Amino acid sequence: NAGVTQTPKFQVLKTGQSMTLQCAQDMNHEYMSWYRQDPGMGLRLIHYSVGAGITDQGEVPNGYNVSRSTTEDFPLRLLSAAPSQTSVYFCASSVQGAGYTIYFGEGSWLTVV
Amino acid sequence: AQSVAQPEDQVNVAEGNPLTVKCTYSVSGNPYLFWYVQYPNRGLQFLLKYITGDNLVKGSYGFEAEFNKSQTSFHLKKPSALVSDSALYFCAVRGGDSSYKLIFGSGTRLLVRP
Repeated sequence: NAGVTQTPKFQVLKTGQSMTLQCAQDMNHEYMSWYRQDPGMGLRLIHYSVGAGITDQGEVPNGYNVSRSTTEDFPLRLLSAAPSQTSVYFCASSVQGAGYTIYFGEGSWLTVV
Repeated sequence: AQSVAQPEDQVNVAEGNPLTVKCTYSVSGNPYLFWYVQYPNRGLQFLLKYITGDNLVKGSYGFEAEFNKSQTSFHLKKPSALVSDSALYFCAVRGGDSSYKLIFGSGTRLLVRP
């Protein structure tokens, strides 16, 4: 069972570079989201999607773009990387509805130098 | 707006003793409450959730949590701690007017000493 798959696991970027974090799920989940984890701050929601073609902003959307062209994929794009975007990024998915459990990928460690 | 508070950055407990990790929440309407655990360099693993019904919820690895509506709390408990329980624990809430969003607390590090 693949679940939620994120790539790459580790990445080092130079300031100003762009990149895309890939996320795919094979559970036919409508809801997908991206979080970033920083020490002492828990996980903060960047963007989320409730279905193909529908995306919305979370708590910390600045500097990130998302799209949802298929149910399975939800890539996160960093437009012009900044050191403040050094973080661990988690993709997550669930069935539609607030009572359903959200499942997380294994994370992507990003360092911007 | 939804919010979650985990008042303790770290909880220390001896192996074999009971443990409690505290969580309080704020949400309009009915809350859906979750606990996740994170081991070093890993993703978040689901432990348990409260949706409705019995206030005492049982989950994975012997953990349980008690929902208290009047105190808006959802504390995580385990009768007898193991060294292997040492990890980072997150409480999260979903519901209210932002029902799709899962909002996390800042996390509590649990350290179980032998």
